Formats: sequence, C-alpha cells, structure tokens
Amino acid sequence: SQKIEQNSEALNIQEGKTATLTCNYTNYSPAYLQWYRQDPGRGPVFLLLIRENEKEKRKERLKVTFDTTLKQSLFHITASQPADSATYLCALGVGGGYQKVTFGTGTKLQVIP
Amino acid sequence: GAVVSQHPSWVICKSGTSVKIECRSLDFQATTMFWYRQFPKQSLMLMATSNEGSKATYEQGVEKDKFLINHASLTLSTLTVTSAHPEDSSFYICSLAHGSGDETQYFGPGTRLLVL
Repeated sequence: SQKIEQNSEALNIQEGKTATLTCNYTNYSPAYLQWYRQDPGRGPVFLLLIRENEKEKRKERLKVTFDTTLKQSLFHITASQPADSATYLCALGVGGGYQKVTFGTGTKLQVIP
Repeated sequence: GAVVSQHPSWVICKSGTSVKIECRSLDFQATTMFWYRQFPKQSLMLMATSNEGSKATYEQGVEKDKFLINHASLTLSTLTVTSAHPEDSSFYICSLAHGSGDETQYFGPGTRLLVL
C-alpha cells in the first residue's frame, strides 16, 4: 500500500541549531514533492517544491533534498528560531498537469529559546 | 500567489442540520479547487476536487450525497455537509492551484465544524 511517513513524534531543538525533518514514501513515483508549514488552527502555507530530477533546493534558511532511490526527502531549517515552531507537512504529486497531492502525517517542530 | 478566504471560520450546529462552507479565491480565477478534512493531530485528507461548471470528483470513501460541492464560478466553491453528525466534526480546508506548471497549492484559513 502507499504510505507517506514523517517523524511521528515532535522534534525539539535549540534555537540557532539546524532542524532536519524527514519524509519517506513507499509505492509512490512522485514527479515532485512539496513542503508546507501549518500553524495551529490555520491552513498550510507553501514553502518549497522539488522535482524528481532535482537533488536539492534552497530558499533562504530552508533546504530540501530529494532522493528518489531512497524514496526520501529531507527538509532542513538552518539557524532555527522560535518563530519556526510549527507543523511541517510533505506532499507528493504525480505531475502531468494533475494538481492533486497527497500529504504526509506532518512533524511538529518546537524551537526552544 | 493567491489569496483564499473561507467562511465561516468556525461553526457549531446541532446534529441533523446542514452546514454550508464557502471558499473564495480573492485574486485568481480558479478552475479547480480542492476540499480537505483534517482531524486533530492528523494530516490533511483530500475529500474532493471541485471543478468549475462541472461535477466534483470525490475521493474513495467520501460520500458525495453527504458532502455536496458546488463550484458555480471561478472564484467560489461551496461545501455543504448535509445532515451533519458529531463524527463530521473536523477542520475543513479548501485550496486552489494556478496550474500551468505551477503546482503550488494556496490554502484557505480553514473552517472548524463542531456538531453537537
């Protein structure tokens, strides 16, 4: 069966450190993978998209890697800040103009001052 | 980007009543919108894809007669939860995508539904 798994437990890190979140998938062949941030009681906000032919993508303090052999994406936040505390969701898309994505379970990140 | 609004932001209703949730695209004409449901501490589950001017496409296990979707214009999609029951209590979120190579989904703020 198809699965998208993220760290099920909350991740607590010290301010200033790099947070690394994992997204693993099975029985999918995604054309792209997205990362979203969700704050409590709010809708998700898009952060980054990485395509199957890309290894790494960066945006300010954010970095995403995509390993289609390992079927894994890593999401890094460098120099983390308490304001980065939120739940982070990965989402897989099949592409081809088909916009539907499937979301992972999410990882709650807590950055401790 | 795109700005998406939802109304109401929260609603409490009695069991057996119907509730309508609106999703509006404020700055973009969206031919396709998505409706998701999220239970506490769980991820977003896609309920249906709403297509302007045609019938919605429902995901497996989602009752189309219970969750009525109407995408009557390029800026408005509505989700009606008919004969709501306590198990329908959830966080309902809509989103839209520009398409044409831009797969980013822009989400509304969500609607919290509590059925007593």
